[in-house]
Amino acid sequence: NAGVTQTPKFQVLKTGQSMTLQCAQDMNHEYMSWYRQDPGMGLRLIHYSVGAGITDQGEVPNGYNVSRSTTEDFPLRLLSAAPSQTSVYFCASNPGRTDTQYFGPGTRLTVL
Amino acid sequence: AQSVTQLDSHVSVSEGTPVLLRCNYSSSYSPSLFWYVQHPNKGLQLLLKYTSAATLVKGINGFEAEFKKSETSFHLTKPSAHMSDAAEYFCVVSDRSTLTFGKGTMLLVSP
Repeated sequence: NAGVTQTPKFQVLKTGQSMTLQCAQDMNHEYMSWYRQDPGMGLRLIHYSVGAGITDQGEVPNGYNVSRSTTEDFPLRLLSAAPSQTSVYFCASNPGRTDTQYFGPGTRLTVL
Repeated sequence: AQSVTQLDSHVSVSEGTPVLLRCNYSSSYSPSLFWYVQHPNKGLQLLLKYTSAATLVKGINGFEAEFKKSETSFHLTKPSAHMSDAAEYFCVVSDRSTLTFGKGTMLLVSP
């Protein structure tokens, strides 16, 4: 199993550009989540999904969209990038509500 | 609503001395609690988790944590620090579909 994979590892965008961060898992987990990590802030939940076709907002959803058309994939879309979205983004999956989350390696995004 | 407070942003210890990283939580439900570790420029790795079984939870690399409901605490300990323990540690609470992370404690280990 590859576990949770994320692409790209690094990305630089200009303000106003759009892009999609990819996340995939091969563990057949129902739950998937996107977090952003900023210094001194821990990880903050952006969006999450409890199954294909079901998504919900987390703590910091503004400026991001998600969809979950398959169990395996959970892409995160930045609609119009802003410097405040410079961060490290982690995708995670878990099989059940209280189960351990498995994290991807992260994507480091810089918005100029 | 749930929340997590890690009481120290930085903890410094000498190699071979005990480690104590403090965490308090609040939750409307019976929570699951986790400790994750993140080494520099790496992803997150699970150290241990509590899910309402034994209140003393043993994890990897000699770490353990004790769930104290009366104190709403879940402190992380290790009897003897190793240089390789230097990292950032996150206390995490889960009561429904989502996790809430603490802001992290940076553990510094000096020779």
